[in-house]
Amino acid sequence: DAKTTQPPSMDCAEGRAANLPCNHSTISGNEYVYWYRQIHSQGPQYIIHGLKNNETNEMASLIITEDRKSSTLILPHATLRDTAVYYCIVRSQYNFNKFYFGSGTKLNVKP
Amino acid sequence: ETGVTQSPTHLIKTRGQQVTLRCSSQSGHNTVSWYQQALGQGPQFIFQYYREEENGRGNFPPRFSGLQFPNYSSELNVNALELDDSALYLCASSLVPEETQYFGPGTRLLVL
Repeated sequence: DAKTTQPPSMDCAEGRAANLPCNHSTISGNEYVYWYRQIHSQGPQYIIHGLKNNETNEMASLIITEDRKSSTLILPHATLRDTAVYYCIVRSQYNFNKFYFGSGTKLNVKP
Repeated sequence: ETGVTQSPTHLIKTRGQQVTLRCSSQSGHNTVSWYQQALGQGPQFIFQYYREEENGRGNFPPRFSGLQFPNYSSELNVNALELDDSALYLCASSLVPEETQYFGPGTRLLVL
């Protein structure tokens, strides 16, 4: 499975957009990009996922580069409640029973 | 619709003991995956159950075992507990193995 690289931490001002990057340079054509977040000591919360096209839902937008080697999760208007560890995960369409979480990015939203 | 639930929320055991953790999957989900999350790290995949059969396993020793029941709830059993087994144990369910996984709140296990 492809590995992901994320910055260990990022800061964002409340009300501004938070843009969280993820590198997955060894991703293969049948692998999806998933994003989860984990607020302190709680279970991870699903945010969004995509294969090739950009995706948007009520929580966030996912922008995947054309070569699929990197992606960005966008929280359009960050609030204090968005402070969490954000995990970018690459998951095979066929070997789908394993999620490799990595260390994630700690997003600190500040007033 | 009820989400994924886990019990107990917290547990303290001593080294060498055995523990059973329980997970109820989200309504309509027939797949359950278990993860171990040590302090400060991301979750590590233990194994997955699909329709009562093991459907993949991570790099964990055989003393980590599981069950899935006809109602798709699941148990994680850990024998001969070691200090390093202290962690947050997470259960996730999905409609089928290839669909999105939804996580429960976790069980925090402390081994003394």
